[in-house]
Amino acid sequence: GQQLNQSPQSMFIQEGEDVSMNCTSSSIFNTWLWYKQDPGEGPVLLIALYKAGELTSNGRLTAQFGITRKDSFLNISASIPSDVGIYFCAGQGNSRASGTYKYIFGTGTRLKVLA
Amino acid sequence: NAGVTQTPKFRVLKTGQSMTLLCAQDMNHEYMYWYRQDPGMGLRLIHYSVGEGTTAKGEVPDGYNVSRLKKQNFLLGLESAAPSQTSVYFCASSQWGIIYNEQFFGPGTRLTVL
Repeated sequence: GQQLNQSPQSMFIQEGEDVSMNCTSSSIFNTWLWYKQDPGEGPVLLIALYKAGELTSNGRLTAQFGITRKDSFLNISASIPSDVGIYFCAGQGNSRASGTYKYIFGTGTRLKVLA
Repeated sequence: NAGVTQTPKFRVLKTGQSMTLLCAQDMNHEYMYWYRQDPGMGLRLIHYSVGEGTTAKGEVPDGYNVSRLKKQNFLLGLESAAPSQTSVYFCASSQWGIIYNEQFFGPGTRLTVL
């Protein structure tokens, strides 16, 4: 089945550093979403992007919808210990009119922040 | 509101045993999903439902069955468990969104098959 490739797979950073991660696909999506999973819990939506080239911020998080619609990027500025977790991208390409449904998660980037 | 709840939280099965995982949501969402999460594999969709009485296969449906008899509940069944089904299972729900669907996840069920 199709998967979205995320990189890096994992990263250790010092508190206060900026973090960058990306997600790539072989097919295009209408919407890109970024979720965060805290240890022992289910993922929670952070940011949704629905326009190619769009740059959206949510606090210290900034995400971009790639111009080709096949990739997306997430940046975290000035990381803090509570940023630890797994970050998942997701691509959505469903159409209710056509009855097709496509909502695919990436492989995840595991972030560890060293105080 | 409790959101999305899953029972049980943990379960250990022997190969060949059967079990049912229950997911319930109180947000009146149309869509419900079952995923499995394995290290390095992300979240893979097992089955999903776009409404009461409907189900559809996802990416990895083999060995699982589902039912959506009530809008608020989505059941995942394993008829004959195999060690390859050892995983963390997440249920999620969403409303249809014109622009995007935000999925709301449960806390997960950790299943070990010996």
